[in-house]
Amino acid sequence: EAGVAQSPRYKIIEKRQSVAFWCNPISGHATLYWYQQILGQGPKLLIQFQNNGVVDDSQLPKDRFSAERLKGVDSTLKIQPAKLEDSAVYLCASSLGQIRGVVSETQYFGPGTRLLVL
Amino acid sequence: AQTVTQSQPEMSVQEAETVTLSCTYDTSESDYYLFWYKQPPSRQMILVIRQEAYKQQNATENRFSVNFQKAAKSFSLKISDSQLGDAAMYFCAYSWGKLQFGAGTQVVVTP
Repeated sequence: EAGVAQSPRYKIIEKRQSVAFWCNPISGHATLYWYQQILGQGPKLLIQFQNNGVVDDSQLPKDRFSAERLKGVDSTLKIQPAKLEDSAVYLCASSLGQIRGVVSETQYFGPGTRLLVL
Repeated sequence: AQTVTQSQPEMSVQEAETVTLSCTYDTSESDYYLFWYKQPPSRQMILVIRQEAYKQQNATENRFSVNFQKAAKSFSLKISDSQLGDAAMYFCAYSWGKLQFGAGTQVVVTP
């Protein structure tokens, strides 16, 4: 079974530029997550999709970050314009779904995209 | 708000020895899930073990086992017979609707 795929693996941009990340979840997984992991910290959830819909985007900086999951499969995360503090690893994860509102299914993570903003 | 605390920034262990990583969490919920994830330098998060809070029996996966103390809100990970490949950052995570991670513990394995 193929795992979660992400691209690109590395990206270097200058501040105020835009960047986009792509994620392909495990086949059949209804729930998709984007996390931001700053060096030395644990991952922080940015946005969670259940099929096409957004379940939680409370920690997504909506003035510069956007995400979509068209057709309930692949997802893209965009940053525009980027700031220095956006330098981090962006992790995508997927799971089968939620049961009774609880994340009872294990989340499987992709390899991540390392972003460096200069 | 739920929080996850890992009080050990780094732990060192010799090959073939045992190391225990501590984790405490704060919650008012009774039905939740706990996880330990491993993150090697490649930065990919790998599931090590998971525990359902309604189960009293401690989870075990080969050389990895947990000590789940629900009343104390404690969830420690024991790595037995440590191997060089176990060297990584280990994250404890709590889940009730949203997965929340601790700050991580760096495990160093020495020959």
